[in-house]
Amino acid sequence: AQSVAQPEDQVNVAEGNPLTVKCTYSVSGNPYLFWYVQYPNRGLQFLLKYITGDNLVKGSYGFEAEFNKSQTSFHLKKPSALVSDSALYFCAVRAYNTDKLIFGTGTRLQVFP
Amino acid sequence: GAVVSQHPSWVICKSGTSVKIECRSLDFQATTMFWYRQFPKQSLMLMATSNEGSKATYEQGVEKDKFLINHASLTLSTLTVTSAHPEDSSFYICSAEGRGKETQYFGPGTRLLVL
Repeated sequence: AQSVAQPEDQVNVAEGNPLTVKCTYSVSGNPYLFWYVQYPNRGLQFLLKYITGDNLVKGSYGFEAEFNKSQTSFHLKKPSALVSDSALYFCAVRAYNTDKLIFGTGTRLQVFP
Repeated sequence: GAVVSQHPSWVICKSGTSVKIECRSLDFQATTMFWYRQFPKQSLMLMATSNEGSKATYEQGVEKDKFLINHASLTLSTLTVTSAHPEDSSFYICSAEGRGKETQYFGPGTRLLVL
């Protein structure tokens, strides 16, 4: 069965410090992996994706993620957090040859001044 | 690019009435659109997938007669919640995918409150 796990409900980081939001997945075949961010009472904004190629993917707002096939992980990272990064982050996976996204449960990122 | 809009952004209705939510892709042609439901502090639950000009495919447990989906054009899909009840109150989010079928882009969501 396909699944996505975000083991942390919340991540707290001080502004200026690096941040990591964890994601692991289980899927048949080669995965398409995505990160989305959701601000209160808003839809999801696309941050970045991994389809193929370089394992380090760079996305919007200075975020990046590293695809690790052996660990089946796709952790989201940012070198220096901003207070405005505080939001709900979702990892999602799509198995090859399907349209559906499977979402993780979300991780709330709180960046403190 | 890749902007998806939803209308209305919020709606309050009486129990028993029907509510229509529109989802539009503004700058690309959406061959596939998706409708999700999100409960407070929870992840997104896929309700149905619709392809332009064909019937929607509903997820298990989603009543197709309750949640009518129409994907009449490559830029518009509508979700109609028929005979709404308080338990239908939720945040409904659509997404759209273009011909490349790699990335879903999401609308801003519609908050429905049924009294």
